[in-house]
Amino acid sequence: DGGITQSPKYLFRKEGQNVTLSCEQNLNHDAMYWYRQDPGQGLRLIYYSQIVNDFQKGDIAEGYSVSREKKESFPLTVTSAQKNPTAFYLCASSMPGKADTQYFGPGTRLTVL
Amino acid sequence: GNSVTQMEGPVTLSEESFLTINCTYTATGYPSLFWYVQYPGEGLQLLLKATKADDKGSNKGFEATYRKETTSFHLEKGSVQVSDSAVYFCALSDHSTGFQKLVFGTGTRLLVSP
Repeated sequence: DGGITQSPKYLFRKEGQNVTLSCEQNLNHDAMYWYRQDPGQGLRLIYYSQIVNDFQKGDIAEGYSVSREKKESFPLTVTSAQKNPTAFYLCASSMPGKADTQYFGPGTRLTVL
Repeated sequence: GNSVTQMEGPVTLSEESFLTINCTYTATGYPSLFWYVQYPGEGLQLLLKATKADDKGSNKGFEATYRKETTSFHLEKGSVQVSDSAVYFCALSDHSTGFQKLVFGTGTRLLVSP
């Protein structure tokens, strides 16, 4: 079955540590996205990538980094510079030119202790 | 900038009740409008969409009509089920930066009791 996988589902880290969240898709989509979801704030775009080896900052990119070395993979690193990293992180993908119809993964809940 | 405003939740209903979740938007031009649903512990799924004024999107008994005159896209269902309990997000497509992206509302939680 085609889809998007995110791992792990729950992640705990100590303050000051970098952590990388995985996102893999086998939908053959060119575009991929990372969102952050906080209670009462909906989804906010962190980074997006329209094609391999290219990515752009979204609305809240500070304290995060990404890479896009393969079409299938778009990992997100939450760095120690992110002041409030505890959140639910969602990865999504879409066909080229079809950013309005995005397919979402199940999400990773990151808790920084 | 473009934005979406949804009614605050939670919305609590009994099974077989009528559902309305309000959504209004602010946008330049004529965006496409969407409703996404998030079931507990899962990612978002596209529920329905409308791409131009007066279009009606529908799926799984849910409907929403693109109203340009009132800048609204309210979600309705005639008879809700317990399985409809979820968080519902209204969204619009934003082309203002040259890249097409989605702008989401804050979400409305629906709780349906037997």
